[in-house]
Amino acid sequence: EPEVTQTPSHQVTQMGQEVILRCVPISNHLYFYWYRQILGQKVEFLVSFYNNEISEKSEIFDDQFSVERPDGSNFTLKIRSTKLEDSAMYFCASTLAGDEQFFGPGTRLTVL
Amino acid sequence: GNSVTQMEGPVTLSEEAFLTINCTYTATGYPSLFWYVQYPGEGLQLLLKATKADDKGSNKGFEATYRKETTSFHLEKGSVQVSDSAVYFCALRLELGGYQKVTFGTGTKLQVIP
Repeated sequence: EPEVTQTPSHQVTQMGQEVILRCVPISNHLYFYWYRQILGQKVEFLVSFYNNEISEKSEIFDDQFSVERPDGSNFTLKIRSTKLEDSAMYFCASTLAGDEQFFGPGTRLTVL
Repeated sequence: GNSVTQMEGPVTLSEEAFLTINCTYTATGYPSLFWYVQYPGEGLQLLLKATKADDKGSNKGFEATYRKETTSFHLEKGSVQVSDSAVYFCALRLELGGYQKVTFGTGTKLQVIP
């Protein structure tokens, strides 16, 4: 069964450093998403991406964040200068259109 | 705006007890409703879904009915097992011109003790 994969599973970084979280969506999917979950809190929408551009972004997704689909398979989330409060689990999701979103296993980001 | 409210946890039950986790929503339009489960150390897994009023989603003994009149989607299971211990998220999804946006509740942690 096809699945969304994410790497790394756990990323530890120093405050102020740049991080790139990687996702490989399901191959024929067209819409891509990032969500985050701060420990013990709810899952929050960050951004949706279609046809090589952002469809919608939340207020969390400020200028420090960017997304990219650099090739036909990867979908990345970059945080330019990490802050302590960026520590969270980041989930990637993809969908073909009009059906359910498939979530990846998540990347746990720890900012020290 | 759109929101999902679910009961606070943790919920602690003995094995074979009946489970109800309440979920209510507010949304503009006609959302699809979901329950996701997150086992310890793992990602989100879709548990069940319902796409229109009066639909019942079911999976692994869990079920939930889309109630438009009460804007609810309560999760139930007749007899829980220790392996059901996890965090359960109620969510709604709206189609927005092709792409979707999923809004999650805060999650309810379920602990099942032998």
